[in-house]
Amino acid sequence: GAVVSQHPSWVICKSGTSVKIECRSLDFQATTMFWYRQFPKQSLMLMATSNEGSKATYEQGVEKDKFLINHASLTLSTLTVTSAHPEDSSFYICSAPRDSFLQYFGAGTRLSVL
Amino acid sequence: GENVEQHPSTLSVQEGDSAVIKCTYSDSASNYFPWYKQELGKGPQLIIDIRSNVGEKKDQRIAVTLNKTAKHFSLHITETQPEDSAVYFCAASVTYGQNFVFGPGTRLSVLP
Repeated sequence: GAVVSQHPSWVICKSGTSVKIECRSLDFQATTMFWYRQFPKQSLMLMATSNEGSKATYEQGVEKDKFLINHASLTLSTLTVTSAHPEDSSFYICSAPRDSFLQYFGAGTRLSVL
Repeated sequence: GENVEQHPSTLSVQEGDSAVIKCTYSDSASNYFPWYKQELGKGPQLIIDIRSNVGEKKDQRIAVTLNKTAKHFSLHITETQPEDSAVYFCAASVTYGQNFVFGPGTRLSVLP
């Protein structure tokens, strides 16, 4: 079964609203989680690294105020897309490392901004 | 930083034939190379991985080979089945807790 749970799987929202996506590690603790963005027919691009108890590390070109990340516990990281616009429509995927190398991915969240 | 290239971008094979996807990486410090399968609208699923201390790993119909000197690794799928059709991504990683750098992906179509 899934070891990383991501919700919601699909969300449609109006332009200007905010959307929160949750990523949970189900049977292990994750001090670090990763958030990726994937455009149609493209690869996964790292957006930010979520760190439990401290600020997230954002990749170059990713707006910190647009994509708010909170890693409040060892099993939960959230990504909030603030004031969403149509260009934010994408597939967002989280992952969490379980041991030395293995990373498990969530099922992804498809965001459609109208 | 690490850069991962992947070829081909699309691959069509007849059911029962073999499929080979190749990746190259740039950072010699990378020591972990997973392969992920992604079906439409779903997250990536790990199908096989290899660490830098071995040259080959096999799991039933799937195998991965690694050439650290040349900095390339390959995915081999034998006796392909229609359900193997998906997008496959290779990735490279250096250490625990570090993110993966993904290749651009290969869309595999297995024709019945």
